[in-house]
Order: sequence, then structure tokens, then C-alpha cells
Amino acid sequence: GAVVSQHPSWVICKSGTSVKIECRSLDFQATTMFWYRQFPKQSLMLMATSNEGSKATYEQGVEKDKFLINHASLTLSTLTVTSAHPEDSSFYICSASGTGTNYGYTFGSGTRLTVV
Amino acid sequence: AQSVSQHNHHVILSEAASLELGCNYSYGGTVNLFWYVQYPGQHLQLLLKYFSGDPLVKGIKGFEAEFIKSKFSFNLRKPSVQWSDTAEYFCAVNLNQAGTALIFGKGTTLSVSS
Repeated sequence: GAVVSQHPSWVICKSGTSVKIECRSLDFQATTMFWYRQFPKQSLMLMATSNEGSKATYEQGVEKDKFLINHASLTLSTLTVTSAHPEDSSFYICSASGTGTNYGYTFGSGTRLTVV
Repeated sequence: AQSVSQHNHHVILSEAASLELGCNYSYGGTVNLFWYVQYPGQHLQLLLKYFSGDPLVKGIKGFEAEFIKSKFSFNLRKPSVQWSDTAEYFCAVNLNQAGTALIFGKGTTLSVSS
């Protein structure tokens, strides 16, 4: 079945640094990727939608200059948290949809980001 | 804008009890509906989904859900829960178009005691 690999699974970084999270579709072409953020005991909040080769569409309230999303190929999307601050600490999850998923959704295992 | 409401924040049951988790969505158009489960420390797993056809959908692990269009509801049910069903359950909806994002409800924590 469709598999999405997300790395790293957890990362600790210093305040002010940038962190890159990768999301790869291993056995299908992900025409669309979605990035979510999940706070403890809360739901997944959609941050942005990206189509391969296009600029990402950000949800209201999500700073596009802070959360840089790149979807340059059909198998890879990256989320870079720039100039991270402690309030950016969260669980980030990617999801991919496309051929091979029957346009369903496959989720990555998530990345726990802690900014100290 | 679409939204998804899950009425039960935390449900506590004993093993063998029956389960029903409520989910309502607000959107008048054609939608697809999903239930996901997240076990502690694990990623989201699809329990079941409804795209069209029979409104009673059967999923994995003995779960089922019924789509009632007139009530904008998609409640999740299981006749007899097990301790291993302890997890977070999320209802989600998206527009019936390729490439649209899932919008999630706030989730329901299910705790099953043995």
C-alpha cells in the first residue's frame, strides 16, 4: 500500500535556528501534499496544501515566510521552520494524496519539534 | 468554510461496552467522510471512509459508521470495545474533489478499562 516516510521523527533545536522536515512518498506519486500541526491533546490543524511544482497554499493565520514549504518533485515535500521559537514546538504531520492512493490520504508518522 | 464537530471529548468505557462517537460536519455540498484512529505514540490510521453508496460503512477492527445526510452526521460505532481500542479518534471531512485537504474534528479520547 501507499507509504509516506517522514523525517526526522523528533528534533530539538535552539531558538532562532531553522529546522527542515522531509516527507517522502515511497511507492506512489504524491501530486498533493498537506502539512498539519497538532498540539498536545488537540486536533490536526491544516497549515498548507502544496501541489507538485506549485507554490503552497497556506491556511489563514499560517505565516508562509516562517513555514517554508517546497514540493519540487512528486515524491518529496519539505517543511522548513525558519527562526524557530519555543511556541513553534509542536507535532508536525504530513499527508500525501495522489496516484497510487486512489486519491485517498496517507499520513507520515509525524515529527515532534521542540525548540529550546 | 467546512468544519467538523466531535461532541464527545473523552469517553470512558468498560470492555465489552458498546461505543458510539458523534461527528457532525457543516457543509452543504458533496463531501467525503473519514474516521481515523491514533494510538498512543503512533501515526494516524484510517478506520473507514465514506465516498458514496451504502451509507452504512464497515471499517477495520469491527468499527462501522453511518452517514445520515439529513443530519450532516457520520457517527462511529462499535458493538463491543476492547482494551486495545484505547486511542484518540478523529472524524474528518473533505470536499469531493481530488487534491482537497482533510479537515479534522477536535478528536475524542477513548479510554477502555479491562
